[in-house]
Amino acid sequence: EAGVVQSPRYKIIEKKQPVAFWCNPISGHNTLYWYLQNLGQGPELLIRYENEEAVDDSQLPKDRFSAERLKGVDSTLKIQPAELGDSAVYLCASGPDTGELFFGEGSRLTVL
Amino acid sequence: AQSVTQLGSHVSVSEGALVLLRCNYSSSVPPYLFWYVQYPNQGLQLLLKYTSAATLVKGINGFEAEFKKSETSFHLTKPSAHMSDAAEYFCAVREGGYQKVTFGTGTKLQVIP
Repeated sequence: EAGVVQSPRYKIIEKKQPVAFWCNPISGHNTLYWYLQNLGQGPELLIRYENEEAVDDSQLPKDRFSAERLKGVDSTLKIQPAELGDSAVYLCASGPDTGELFFGEGSRLTVL
Repeated sequence: AQSVTQLGSHVSVSEGALVLLRCNYSSSVPPYLFWYVQYPNQGLQLLLKYTSAATLVKGINGFEAEFKKSETSFHLTKPSAHMSDAAEYFCAVREGGYQKVTFGTGTKLQVIP
């Protein structure tokens, strides 16, 4: 069974540039999460989807971050414009109703 | 509201020694509890989960955790540390009936040969 796939694994951009991350969850998982992980910290939830509906986006900085999950499968997280403080690892996870999460390898963003 | 506290951001043990990583939670309803492991430059991987069945939960790689409601704890243990156990470990809580999962700040385990 294929796991959660994320791309790109690494991205280096200059501040004020846009960036997008893509996630393909495990087939059959209705719940999809985007987490932000700063160095030495635990993952912090940005947004959670149930199918194509964003059910928890309270921690998403909506002035510069946006996300979508078309057709309830793949998801894209976008930052525009990026700031220095956005340098972090962006983790995508999906999960069944039993609650455990399956994570991708993450997308490491460096903003110069 | 739910939260998780992991005591000790860094823990060092000798190879072959007992591993004990501490986690305390707060939850207004019976929780689901998880331990995840993260190796460098990788995503998190589920070690074990507690979902209100047996209070002693066995996971992968010889790890286990015990749910103690009276102490609101879910500490992770392994009888004998191996070099390959060096990683960062995260405790997480999910309130029953909800899909929101909250993570602790993590404990980095160092295994000394």
